[in-house]
Amino acid sequence: ILNVEQSPQSLHVQEGDSTNFTCSFPSSNFYALHWYRWETAKSPEALFVMTLNGDEKKKGRISATLNTKEGYSYLYIKGSQPEDSATYLCALLKTSYDKVIFGPGTSLSVIP
Amino acid sequence: NAGVTQTPKFQVLKTGQSMTLQCAQDMNHEYMSWYRQDPGMGLRLIHYSVGAGITDQGEVPNGYNVSRSTTEDFPLRLLSAAPSQTSVYFCASGQGLGDQPQHFGDGTRLSIL
Repeated sequence: ILNVEQSPQSLHVQEGDSTNFTCSFPSSNFYALHWYRWETAKSPEALFVMTLNGDEKKKGRISATLNTKEGYSYLYIKGSQPEDSATYLCALLKTSYDKVIFGPGTSLSVIP
Repeated sequence: NAGVTQTPKFQVLKTGQSMTLQCAQDMNHEYMSWYRQDPGMGLRLIHYSVGAGITDQGEVPNGYNVSRSTTEDFPLRLLSAAPSQTSVYFCASGQGLGDQPQHFGDGTRLSIL
């Protein structure tokens, strides 16, 4: 079973601050990485799918980068807003049609 | 387009009872999976399926059974409910190749007394 780690476990930032968090995974086992946003009492929603080393994806104020050689992905949020408060999950696949294993998540709280 | 539909939304069981959580998707996705959400542990994979007739174990399969007789449906069976199975259960589906994300149902909140 893959060991997918995320740090920090939780984060509290002021509205307007920019922030970032990390997803780490074994660099020898990689096919694709997914980022999801999970609001309380809702179901996870996909943000990005990343498959190539050096991938950079952007969606509004949120962006992500991928380094498969060293086994990490960063998620950045620029100018955090209270509506960004959620748990951010990354998930890993070793091969296509493989099990999708989630990290424990980073809980972000944006204080108005 | 309904997406991924889970039923029931809430259920209370007594220890030792059995039940089936239903999951259906209308997106013709090959890949379907079941997760449980536990505090501080994110989502843990119970079982998954890469197509009709094919299932495999995830991280925490003990106490659960699945089958995939059609592309649309992927039910999760609790054989003999235990308090440790109290959790929120999420079903998800996706294209399966990994370069597409999974789509999640709204979850089933299950309490075992």
